[in-house]
Amino acid sequence: EVQLLESGGGLVQPGGSLRLSCAASGFTFSTYAMTWVRQGPGKGLEWVSTISLNSGDTYYADSVTGRFTISRDNSENTLFLEMNSLSVDDTAVYYCARYAPGGYWYFDIWGRGTLVTVSS
Amino acid sequence: QSALTQPASVSGSAGQSITISCTGTSSDVGGYNHVSWYQQHPGKAPKLMIYDVNKRPSGVSHRFSGSKSGNTASLTISGLQAEDEADYYCSSYASTSIFILNVFGTGTKVTVL
Repeated sequence: EVQLLESGGGLVQPGGSLRLSCAASGFTFSTYAMTWVRQGPGKGLEWVSTISLNSGDTYYADSVTGRFTISRDNSENTLFLEMNSLSVDDTAVYYCARYAPGGYWYFDIWGRGTLVTVSS
Repeated sequence: QSALTQPASVSGSAGQSITISCTGTSSDVGGYNHVSWYQQHPGKAPKLMIYDVNKRPSGVSHRFSGSKSGNTASLTISGLQAEDEADYYCSSYASTSIFILNVFGTGTKVTVL
């Protein structure tokens, strides 16, 4: 079964850091571009960051540029999101998702999400 | 880059058809045939319902269909059923001066009366 499973969320103070992981299974992870999408409480979906299949290209939303770093370990079938200088506005459920083959067009598989709460 | 504009809510009776609009610009919806739609039930992950404007993934009901005209895309749900009650988000590939890859819509809550 194709599956994505996020972990690493939790409560962190403003200014703190957190590292999210997304374990992939059921497909050849190294042949897919991946992304992180977040959803604040009661809010809509927001694209956060994307990484190409070989880590050669990374992209970030304006709201996280300079604070978040996306990476992947194809040998471990795992996607990461390193989050620094967190603010209350970063409070959200963070989903990892897989791009369908061919380009950065749409997301065909989603994880269940991990909740990040930034609060003092 | 602003979010794509969707109506906050749409409702219909069981068996009826409803349409959700998704309005963007020539830098996203109007510029590419890469509009997708996602269904999200409360507390659940989004699920892909439509991709590339009007294509359905395997397993998605034929009651869901998509279209696009200019800068506005639409999702139509025919024969509305109770299980269709959920939030729906459109998304488009985007390319602007403020670089962004994918932009989502504001979301529409569908209520089955």
